[in-house]
Amino acid sequence: DADVTQTPRNRITKTGKRIMLECSQTKGHDRMYWYRQDPGLGLRLIYYSFDVKDINKGEISDGYSVSRQAQAKFSLSLESAIPNQTALYFCATSDLDQAQHFGDGTRLSIL
Amino acid sequence: AQSVTQLGSHVSVSEGALVLLRCNYSSSVPPYLFWYVQYPNQGLQLLLKYTSAATLVKGINGFEAEFKKSETSFHLTKPSAHMSDAAEYFCAVSDQGSNYKLTFGKGTLLTVNP
Repeated sequence: DADVTQTPRNRITKTGKRIMLECSQTKGHDRMYWYRQDPGLGLRLIYYSFDVKDINKGEISDGYSVSRQAQAKFSLSLESAIPNQTALYFCATSDLDQAQHFGDGTRLSIL
Repeated sequence: AQSVTQLGSHVSVSEGALVLLRCNYSSSVPPYLFWYVQYPNQGLQLLLKYTSAATLVKGINGFEAEFKKSETSFHLTKPSAHMSDAAEYFCAVSDQGSNYKLTFGKGTLLTVNP
């Protein structure tokens, strides 16, 4: 089983819809992250959480929100999706200064 | 603030040739440096990392990278490319000042020609 699991893997939806992307991990890490990947732009940090009670905005948090339901679960929500949020979304986990471990991603298309 | 520059968004090599992917970073404190690889329709997989021990770091699949503080570089190399090395490669930096959050470069797509 994968250490970092993202659901769904693919999603197509319409402008204005509310969408939730989920991430769960079995690595026991305190730190969790959400990124979006766009061609030619690399990965950009949306939100991150260093423990269950800690939530922080990343460089591109506008239009997104998150929930850390437990150490193992970190969800990303788009309250009212817009087409320029079409992207590949990744969840990652880490221990303090160690390397981050990534899920397989969610490909999100907003029409 | 930390940043990463990957020179060349696309690198093409022949099978068996040397692979060299360039990465320069900026960081106000000693950095941690990483190379990740992304195969099509997959997440990012760690190739190797530098965390202030040996400056020459060996990773998986025959890749290695050398930390050069004077040049603020962390270039990725492999002596002989395989077809299976075709993927996108990302360099990333973190440090204590950023509380170990990663900053990624924009990526380099490696094509391997037969």
